[in-house]
Amino acid sequence: GESVGLHLPTLSVQEGDNSIINCAYSNSASDYFIWYKQESGKGPQFIIDIRSNMDKRQGQRVTVLLNKTVKHLSLQIAATQPGDSAVYFCAETAQPNNNDMRFGAGTRLTVKP
Amino acid sequence: EAQVTQNPRYLITVTGKKLTVTCSQNMNHEYMSWYRQDPGLGLRQIYYSMNVEVTDKGDVPEGYKVSRKEKRNFPLILESPSPNQTSLYFCASSTYSNEQFFGPGTRLTVL
Repeated sequence: GESVGLHLPTLSVQEGDNSIINCAYSNSASDYFIWYKQESGKGPQFIIDIRSNMDKRQGQRVTVLLNKTVKHLSLQIAATQPGDSAVYFCAETAQPNNNDMRFGAGTRLTVKP
Repeated sequence: EAQVTQNPRYLITVTGKKLTVTCSQNMNHEYMSWYRQDPGLGLRQIYYSMNVEVTDKGDVPEGYKVSRKEKRNFPLILESPSPNQTSLYFCASSTYSNEQFFGPGTRLTVL
């Protein structure tokens, strides 16, 4: 069946380095993608989104890249800080609304001081 | 402050004892949904609602009920909880096609 998944369950980086978190999806009809951050004991928090008519979108210290050819999504965090330590997961939907959103299992990012 | 609230945040109960987890949003969002989060499985949708009096099943609706009598509230009801419903539950709201705002979560343990 269709699925959204992450390549690595854990990622450890040094403070100040750049982080790259990857996500693969299998539904070729997916046209809206979101990255969420979930800190311990909290609900998921929106980071950045991208629609399928784009291949790159930048926010503050974060960049999302979308490669529709290989159905791959990545989140890049520049100058990673201790406060970036969290679980990150991607979500995708092929619907114009949100009733069919699929979430990946998550990657735990640990930032070492 | 724009937010989604859930109550209770933590609940330990016993098999078969009916419970309700409340969810409320103050952003006038049309769309609300409930998810459960289990280790290694990510978020799975239980039920969603497109607007008042409009609800539909998600991926894992068995054992759950919802209602949407008011736009701001979307309670999750477990008529007869079982141990396999032990999980972390999240409520979320959004406009139809944009990012979802999540509540802080409710950790439920069914003994």
